[in-house]
Amino acid sequence: AQSVSQHNHHVILSEAASLELGCNYSYGGTVNLFWYVQYPGQHLQLLLKYFSGDPLVKGIKGFEAEFIKSKFSFNLRKPSVQWSDTAEYFCAVKKAGSYQLTFGKGTKLSVIP
Amino acid sequence: NAGVTQTPKFQVLKTGQSMTLQCAQDMNHNSMYWYRQDPGMGLRLIYYSASEGTTDKGEVPNGYNVSRLNKREFSLRLESAAPSQTSVYFCASSEFTSTGGRHEQYFGPGTRLTVT
Repeated sequence: AQSVSQHNHHVILSEAASLELGCNYSYGGTVNLFWYVQYPGQHLQLLLKYFSGDPLVKGIKGFEAEFIKSKFSFNLRKPSVQWSDTAEYFCAVKKAGSYQLTFGKGTKLSVIP
Repeated sequence: NAGVTQTPKFQVLKTGQSMTLQCAQDMNHNSMYWYRQDPGMGLRLIYYSASEGTTDKGEVPNGYNVSRLNKREFSLRLESAAPSQTSVYFCASSEFTSTGGRHEQYFGPGTRLTVT
């Protein structure tokens, strides 16, 4: 079974610091990749997605992610975080042609003003 | 356009009681999903319905049943609730393509269930 690993459980940053959240997956075939964000008390919202093409994907709110196939990774980045980015971030992977999303356990981001 | 809606928002059950969680979507999506979210576990798929009239087990189906009532609605039933089913339940929906790919899932606001 495929699995998704998010390396950091809780990240604490000051405003304006740069962010990188790691995500690795175990499936060797063609995959679709997603990052979702969950703000406190809210439901999951899609930040960005990768299906094919340019491995550098830009999402909403200044987030981007890079798909590195050789490393089975899809790391999330943001050059300068804001207090409003405080949330939990989930990486998710789907085998191409499958309906099932497999989620990582999430990384909680706390941004200190 | 409300997206994915879920009822109720909160529920407290006693062990052994039953209940049904309701989910509806207005995006004309073919596929619908039920997840549970537990602290430190991420989201785990309980059941999904690829299209109207079909349902399939996900990663953690034990103790649950589902009904795809029509294209819009997908309900999750707990026949005899257990404390281990205390969780936040999310419903999601997505489009369908013949190859099954290229569809992100849209999530509802969740139902927080406590079983005592």
